[in-house]
Amino acid sequence: KAGVTQTPRYLIKTRGQQVTLSCSPISGHRSVSWYQQTPGQGLQFLFEYFSETQRNKGNFPGRFSGRQFSNSRSEMNVSTLELGDSALYLCASSLSLTTGTGANVLTFGAGSRLTVL
Amino acid sequence: AQKVTQAQTEISVVEKEDVTLDCVYETRDTTYYLFWYKQPPSGELVFLIRRNSFDEQNEISGRYSWNFQKSTSSFNFTITASQVVDSAVYFCALRGTSNQFYFGTGTSLTVIP
Repeated sequence: KAGVTQTPRYLIKTRGQQVTLSCSPISGHRSVSWYQQTPGQGLQFLFEYFSETQRNKGNFPGRFSGRQFSNSRSEMNVSTLELGDSALYLCASSLSLTTGTGANVLTFGAGSRLTVL
Repeated sequence: AQKVTQAQTEISVVEKEDVTLDCVYETRDTTYYLFWYKQPPSGELVFLIRRNSFDEQNEISGRYSWNFQKSTSSFNFTITASQVVDSAVYFCALRGTSNQFYFGTGTSLTVIP
């Protein structure tokens, strides 16, 4: 079955612009998480969505936002881009929330590489 | 606080050598899960293994083996007879009773032919 699909794979923006990234989870997966990966910071958790509701949020400014649609597809948006937002943005899906008695395995997409000039 | 430390930033080995990637974690949770992921140059993280805090049995899968020791809060990963295809960044991750995964900063492994 198809894996996690992220679009676009690469994009270049300039400071002050905004960007929207898309993530289609594995069919049947209802939870989508977003991570920012940079060389210095590693993988930093952005937020997690389940059933169209944000269930958890990492320590990022309000310029970073997201949403999830009824078909579990998710988008994240970054407004007023800064140079430091240049990163690989990874989306991961899982069957359900990454909470509870079982730790669901996250399945990652290939990421969207954002460059801010 | 939850934290994962991968002290080895980069490792280079010659093909067929064994290599161990270290992972040390911090958590106050009594129930938690540990993971290893592999990130090849293509960028997609690939799940390798999941262990829960109550199962300290070591695991072997082909050339891969994992050593989980609660006494030292470590979950080390060994690749036996390394191959060029093993070249990647490897991440250790922790999930406790909170709602998110905590990843280490990764270890970049280069296997030289």
